[in-house]
Amino acid sequence: SQTIHQWPATLVQPVGSPLSLECTVEGTSNPNLYWYRQAAGRGLQLLFYSVGIGQISSEVPQNLSASRPQDRQFILSSKKLLLSDSGFYLCAFTAVDRGLGGYTFGSGTRLTVV
Amino acid sequence: DAKTTQPNSMESNEEEPVHLPCNHSTISGTDYIHWYRQLPSQGPEYVIHGLTSNVNNRMASLAIAEDRKSSTLILHRATLRDAAVYYCILPSNTGNQFYFGTGTSLTVIP
Repeated sequence: SQTIHQWPATLVQPVGSPLSLECTVEGTSNPNLYWYRQAAGRGLQLLFYSVGIGQISSEVPQNLSASRPQDRQFILSSKKLLLSDSGFYLCAFTAVDRGLGGYTFGSGTRLTVV
Repeated sequence: DAKTTQPNSMESNEEEPVHLPCNHSTISGTDYIHWYRQLPSQGPEYVIHGLTSNVNNRMASLAIAEDRKSSTLILHRATLRDAAVYYCILPSNTGNQFYFGTGTSLTVIP
């Protein structure tokens, strides 16, 4: 079966510290991968998406970056966190063989920057 | 990119049907309409999707207007576990990603 793993579940980081969130997908090949962020009480904001290894599209200019070193691995990073980076970060994937309704989300990482 | 408009919040009594509306007046002819819901502190989960005809699954029904400029998600008997934020979304022009709005926050009253 196709699954997505995202960790950690919660994270508290000081301002100015680096960030690395990891997401992996199992059970499918060449998925489209996505990073979303959700601020408290707000909707989901698409941050990055990737249609293949090394291919990253950025939707919002910010101090975050994404990388896809392997087919089913997607990493969200920052060199120096800001208070405004706090939020709920969600990784998601779509797979061709799941059809049009195949947008699957991970369980999310709640990041608090202090 | 096509966009959707939903009411910010709705309430329903438990065991009663709920009709969640969505307007998507700029939808293109080949765009599927997708619905997801997000329970508190969880990632969104797929509910249903459709193109032109009404669709049914074990979770809900989707009624699509004949001109496709609006749709309605129908929960036939609301339960407390249906309390969530419901998103009506369309794919981007490239089809590679979806843009989520703020959705409709559904409160189910016991």
